[in-house]
Amino acid sequence: AQTVTQSQPEMSVQEAETVTLSCTYDTSESDYYLFWYKQPPSRQMILVIRQEAYKQQNATENRFSVNFQKAAKSFSLKISDSQLGDAAMYFCAYRTTGTASKLTFGTGTRLQVTL
Amino acid sequence: DTGVSQDPRHKITKRGQNVTFRCDPISEHNRLYWYRQTLGQGPEFLTYFQNEAQLEKSRLLSDRFSAERPKGSFSTLEIQRTEQGDSAMYLCASSLGRQGGYEQYFGPGTRLTVT
Repeated sequence: AQTVTQSQPEMSVQEAETVTLSCTYDTSESDYYLFWYKQPPSRQMILVIRQEAYKQQNATENRFSVNFQKAAKSFSLKISDSQLGDAAMYFCAYRTTGTASKLTFGTGTRLQVTL
Repeated sequence: DTGVSQDPRHKITKRGQNVTFRCDPISEHNRLYWYRQTLGQGPEFLTYFQNEAQLEKSRLLSDRFSAERPKGSFSTLEIQRTEQGDSAMYLCASSLGRQGGYEQYFGPGTRLTVT
């Protein structure tokens, strides 16, 4: 079974600084998708960024980028120029490419952004 | 497009009562997922539908839980004889499936409290 591990329960970053959230996963599949989701307090979960395992190039979305290390099964999220609105729970998630398209989530990292 | 909606947003019930939640996916999304999220944890997969067919159920979905998606539109999740351990946030998500992409769009969730 696939597992996703987020070893940082909480992180803090100053506004305008950069922070990296860690995620590791375990799978025997060779092709899969990885995601970072953001869940603001009392608000719904939204997709931040996704990575296809067959792509070697790291995904980027504006201030968000990932460091995908397939051999190490590592998928970290870097947030640059942090903003107060980035404060949220961040979940790393895994999905196979098969028809069973459920997401497997990590336990999350709570990100605080300070002035 | 109004996004995924869930009703009710909050439900308080006494142990032993039955409860039913509703999810309205984004129109024309053929896949619909139910997840459960307890405090401090990431969402855990419960079940998913492709159109009206329930294709996968997690072992978390005991026989007290039943989900339906008549006509492949909205879905309901019923919990019979609720227990205190059922207290959680129940999340619904929908997607277009492989052809239309693979992003799952989440609803705001229904928070269940069993007293």
